[in-house]
Amino acid sequence: NAGVTQTPKFRILKIGQSMTLQCTQDMNHNYMYWYRQDPGMGLKLIYYSVGAGITDKGEVPNGYNVSRSTTEDFPLRLELAAPSQTSVYFCASTKAGGVGYTFGSGTRLTVV
Amino acid sequence: GESVGLHLPTLSVQEGDNSIINCAYSNSASDYFIWYKQESGKGPQFIIDIRSNMDKRQGQRVTVLLNKTVKHLSLQIAATQPGDSAVYFCAETSETGRRALTFGSGTRLQVQP
Repeated sequence: NAGVTQTPKFRILKIGQSMTLQCTQDMNHNYMYWYRQDPGMGLKLIYYSVGAGITDKGEVPNGYNVSRSTTEDFPLRLELAAPSQTSVYFCASTKAGGVGYTFGSGTRLTVV
Repeated sequence: GESVGLHLPTLSVQEGDNSIINCAYSNSASDYFIWYKQESGKGPQFIIDIRSNMDKRQGQRVTVLLNKTVKHLSLQIAATQPGDSAVYFCAETSETGRRALTFGSGTRLQVQP
């Protein structure tokens, strides 16, 4: 049981490049989330999904896209990287009922 | 929008002392309030939660207090240890809808040996 797995752990992008941050969970959780964390700050919600085929925007969705074709996977796509997207990205999941959120170990992204 | 925030950005305590980390929240409709610990380079780690209809909950060396009258949440850590050094976040969520966590900005706890 691996929990929530994020890849890659680190990435440096040039302005305008694209990339996909991968997130997968093996706990059969319906709810999945993408957060970003800027230095010294709390986590801010980018996108979320309440089940396969269903996604919606969080507080800071601009510049990002997501998909949820399976229960396990919830990739986050950056189409045109900007320096403002330099941050640490966390994926999380939870099941219906309760507050047992499981977080991945994060992806540290730098856009130069 | 609704937000959860913290009073103190950094708290320094002596090993063995008790620590108290505070949090103010504004969304009175939240169903749960949760404390997370985050060590450098890692994701948030669940510490303890409290349902909105409770005012106190105890775990191992930790106690969470909820004062709905003044919208205040606190985390008490007994006999603080060096391994408790980390950033602590309070968060809130609802049982319905998207069920996403709303985080505060964090308090850094430094334990002096």
